[in-house]
Amino acid sequence: GENVEQHPSTLSVQEGDSAVIKCTYSDSASNYFPWYKQELGKGPQLIIDIRSNVGEKKDQRIAVTLNKTAKHFSLHITETQPEDSAVYFCAARLTGTASKLTFGTGTRLQVTL
Amino acid sequence: GAVVSQHPSWVICKSGTSVKIECRSLDFQATTMFWYRQFPKQSLMLMATSNEGSKATYEQGVEKDKFLINHASLTLSTLTVTSAHPEDSSFYICSARLPSSSYNEQFFGPGTRLTVL
Repeated sequence: GENVEQHPSTLSVQEGDSAVIKCTYSDSASNYFPWYKQELGKGPQLIIDIRSNVGEKKDQRIAVTLNKTAKHFSLHITETQPEDSAVYFCAARLTGTASKLTFGTGTRLQVTL
Repeated sequence: GAVVSQHPSWVICKSGTSVKIECRSLDFQATTMFWYRQFPKQSLMLMATSNEGSKATYEQGVEKDKFLINHASLTLSTLTVTSAHPEDSSFYICSARLPSSSYNEQFFGPGTRLTVL
């Protein structure tokens, strides 16, 4: 099955700085890579995703890059704000697995003033 | 769009009792829903895949007789934790697959915190 590793486990940045979270996956057959933001006591919210036929996607301050050869993908948050503080999870989906997602271990992002 | 709700948001029960958690897709029909469990400061672990009108598919190590799943309609799946014990205390989260999406995006509910005394 698929295995997803995520780094770092915790990340502290100052407001206005950029934050980068990296994930690697094991199965080259994975074709969909979503990122979720989870605030304390709440369910995960999809913030951005990328398909295997795309190398980069951007949505305002958030961007995701995918390197299929190296089997890794990254989340980039620019101009961080205190409300970006949360736990972020990456995930990967294998083609033909009935939409099952394999999640990374999570990154706790703290944006300080 | 793509809103998923869960009820209750939290529940406390005595050991040995059963608890039912509901997951609803509010603005779309979901033939497939998923149930996850999340322990404190850990990632989401898939428990089972719930398919409307058929039996759920459980992940390895998840007891199907303990975690009963029913997906009787296109907008509702329920998870019943039977004979709950303190070790079942966790954050249970459902998600629903958006059928119109070519890449089967999942949208998550807000979660249900279960505490078994």
